[in-house]
Amino acid sequence: NAGVTQTPKFRVLKTGQSMTLLCAQDMNHEYMYWYRQDPGMGLRLIHYSVGEGTTAKGEVPDGYNVSRLKKQNFLLGLESAAPSQTSVYFCASSPRGEHTQYFGPGTRLTVL
Amino acid sequence: DAKTTQPPSMDCAEGRAANLPCNHSTISGNEYVYWYRQIHSQGPQYIIHGLKNNETNEMASLIITEDRKSSTLILPHATLRDTAVYYCIVRVVNDYKLSFGAGTTVTVRA
Repeated sequence: NAGVTQTPKFRVLKTGQSMTLLCAQDMNHEYMYWYRQDPGMGLRLIHYSVGEGTTAKGEVPDGYNVSRLKKQNFLLGLESAAPSQTSVYFCASSPRGEHTQYFGPGTRLTVL
Repeated sequence: DAKTTQPPSMDCAEGRAANLPCNHSTISGNEYVYWYRQIHSQGPQYIIHGLKNNETNEMASLIITEDRKSSTLILPHATLRDTAVYYCIVRVVNDYKLSFGAGTTVTVRA
């Protein structure tokens, strides 16, 4: 049982490039989330999903898109990366009816 | 619009109990108190949560005051591996989103 995994672990982009971060969970959880964490700050919710095929905006959705085509995967896309998107990105999942979120190890993204 | 207030940092001696306070004076009747921690560079880890009653699990105890305006997380025998940022979060019972503040940086010293 791997839990929540994130790919890649590290990435460096140039301004304007695009990329997709992949989150996968093997716990059959209904809900999935993407957060970002800037240095010295708490996590902020970017987007979340309450089930396959559904997504919703969180606190800081601008500049990001998401897709949940399969229950176990939640993708976060950056269409045109900006230096302000340099951050650590965490994915989490939780089962329906339970409040505990389980987090992945994070992806460190640097945009030059 | 912060819902919780925590001290920015605290130290604790290894082997002693660590008592982490959290103020949530505007908490509503349908909001739970959650505690998570984040060890350096890792994803946050769930510790415990409660609504009105005190709770205990293998990691910690949660003491909620009778008026529910504050709570204390207790790590009974702190170890060096408990050094982390601890987040106190209030959350509506049917809301699956978590709002993280700055938390308390706990340093356990040998």
